[in-house]
Amino acid sequence: AQSVAQPEDQVNVAEGNPLTVKCTYSVSGNPYLFWYVQYPNRGLQFLLKYITGDNLVKGSYGFEAEFNKSQTSFHLKKPSALVSDSALYFCAVRDRDRDDKIIFGKGTRLHILP
Amino acid sequence: GAVVSQHPSRVICKSGTSVKIECRSLDFQATTMFWYRQFPKQSLMLMATSNEGSKATYEQGVEKDKFLINHASLTLSTLTVTSAHPEDSSFYICSARLTTPVTNTGELFFGEGSRLTVL
Repeated sequence: AQSVAQPEDQVNVAEGNPLTVKCTYSVSGNPYLFWYVQYPNRGLQFLLKYITGDNLVKGSYGFEAEFNKSQTSFHLKKPSALVSDSALYFCAVRDRDRDDKIIFGKGTRLHILP
Repeated sequence: GAVVSQHPSRVICKSGTSVKIECRSLDFQATTMFWYRQFPKQSLMLMATSNEGSKATYEQGVEKDKFLINHASLTLSTLTVTSAHPEDSSFYICSARLTTPVTNTGELFFGEGSRLTVL
């Protein structure tokens, strides 16, 4: 069965510093990988996805993520954090060869300190 | 593109009444929609998969008679919380799957969520 792990409940970063939100996954086949962001009392917004090809994926608001097949990771990154990046971030995986569901991680709350 | 509208955003009801939440895909057709429930400071819990023209598929532990799902058209799915109780108070979020002819990545696009408070 597929699964997603976000090992950090919360990440604190000073404004202007680079940020990383970690995600590892487990699927039996080949993965589609996604990152979503949720602001308070709002739905989830799609940030970026990995399908195939280039391991470095660029998405919305200056975010990017790197697919690492050997480490089964898909960490979210941004070179310079903004206070407005503070939100709840979800990693998700879908096994392209098997089950049709997208499975979400438990979420990581990102705090950008001014 | 890929906008999902959810209504109402907030609803307060009395215990024992029923509440309907609508989820619409505005600029694409969605044969599959999903309903999630989110508790404070917790992740998303998938409640059910809504399939256009057929019965919804419920996750284990979700009462199908309490959470009625109807997906009557390619752009509309509804969730009705029947005989609501205070423990049903939560944030309910719908999503629709976008599938293109070229790629079948099937990423989800989410509504803005509905905050239900049962008194």
